[in-house]
Amino acid sequence: EVQLMESGGGLVQPGGSLRLSCAASGFTSSTYAMTWVRQGPGRGLEWVSSISGSGGDTYYADSVKGRFTFSRDNSKNILYLHMNGLRVEDTALYYCARSTGIGVSDPSDLWGQGALVTVSS
Amino acid sequence: SYELIQPPSVSVSPGQTTSITCSGQNLGDKFATWYQQKAGQSPVLVIYQDTKRPSGIPERFSGSNSGNTATLTISGTQPIDEADYYCQAWDSGTAAFGTGTKVTVL
Repeated sequence: EVQLMESGGGLVQPGGSLRLSCAASGFTSSTYAMTWVRQGPGRGLEWVSSISGSGGDTYYADSVKGRFTFSRDNSKNILYLHMNGLRVEDTALYYCARSTGIGVSDPSDLWGQGALVTVSS
Repeated sequence: SYELIQPPSVSVSPGQTTSITCSGQNLGDKFATWYQQKAGQSPVLVIYQDTKRPSGIPERFSGSNSGNTATLTISGTQPIDEADYYCQAWDSGTAAFGTGTKVTVL
């Protein structure tokens, strides 16, 4: 079955770190660009970061630039979002999504169920 | 950062047509994408490259994009279309989502 499964969410204190994982199954993730999108409680969708199929190109929202790092291990079909310097406003459900092609600006046609990150003291 | 503005909500009767607008500077020069998100679920792609429908998306969903406004139209709206809808576009190496529109089918 073609799917994405996020993991690694949890409760962390402000200033702390967390690593989210996104395991891809049923397809070869290296042939697709991938994206993280988050949704705060009762809020809309917010683009966080995108990565090219090779992993050589990454793009970040201004709100996370310098704090978050998107990486991928194509040999394991797993993607990672390393989050440092977490803030209360980073609290959200984080979705991993697959683009329809290799371009980061291609639309996302496959989404995971999300991983919940709560930043609170 | 690039901003995309949508009306917060629209209401429509079953079987009627409704349109959701998405406004952004020179949006017509970019590709607009639309996602549907039902309560408690992950988003679903309904329109991409302004007008294209992914396989499995009903023909009643259509899109257009010109000038500063992209529009998602649902013809013959069904109760199952009740959801939040978000537009999305790329600008200068970053992506932006619209503010979201809640469609209520009364």
